[in-house]
Amino acid sequence: AQSVTQPDIHITVSEGASLELRCNYSYGATPYLFWYVQSPGQGLQLLLKYFSGDTLVQGIKGFEAEFKRSQSSFNLRKPSVHWSDAAEYFCAVWNQGGKLIFGQGTELSVKP
Amino acid sequence: EPEVTQTPSHQVTQMGQEVILRCVPISNHLYFYWYRQILGQKVEFLVSFYNNEISEKSEIFDDQFSVERPDGSNFTLKIRSTKLEDSAMYFCASSEVSGNSYEQYFGPGTRLTVT
Repeated sequence: AQSVTQPDIHITVSEGASLELRCNYSYGATPYLFWYVQSPGQGLQLLLKYFSGDTLVQGIKGFEAEFKRSQSSFNLRKPSVHWSDAAEYFCAVWNQGGKLIFGQGTELSVKP
Repeated sequence: EPEVTQTPSHQVTQMGQEVILRCVPISNHLYFYWYRQILGQKVEFLVSFYNNEISEKSEIFDDQFSVERPDGSNFTLKIRSTKLEDSAMYFCASSEVSGNSYEQYFGPGTRLTVT
């Protein structure tokens, strides 16, 4: 069965530091992968997506993610974190039936 | 920018009562979804809807749940007899029929509290 694992439940980084959030997926075919962000009290906002082609994808708010088929990973990165990036981040894979399968989420805290 | 809207933002109901959660998807989208997120847990798929019928549903989506598109704009989720364990944030999403149909746009959610 398809699944998504986000190994880190909570990460704290200093403002200005770099960030990497891990995501591993289990999917038989070529996956369609997504990262969403959820700020407190808000809905899910799409940060970026990977369908095919270039394995390094750029998203909004300065985020990028790299698809590595050999590692079944789609890690999210940002070179310099801002305090406003504090939120919960969800990795998801699109299932052929049309639904998204989400990981557990990683809560990001940013310290000044 | 077009967005998915949901009402109400917060609904409190007593166990056994019926609730209807409402969503207005993005106007040119044709696929609609409901997900839920129990506090502290992952976002879970409930149901997808296309061409006025359910495309897929999860095992969570039992006979207590139903969905409807009563008019050209609204998409509703009804829970017939709520249970305490139905307390969760419910998200509506929509996607268009195109090469980007995999991309789902989410509403802000309705927090349902069952007492």
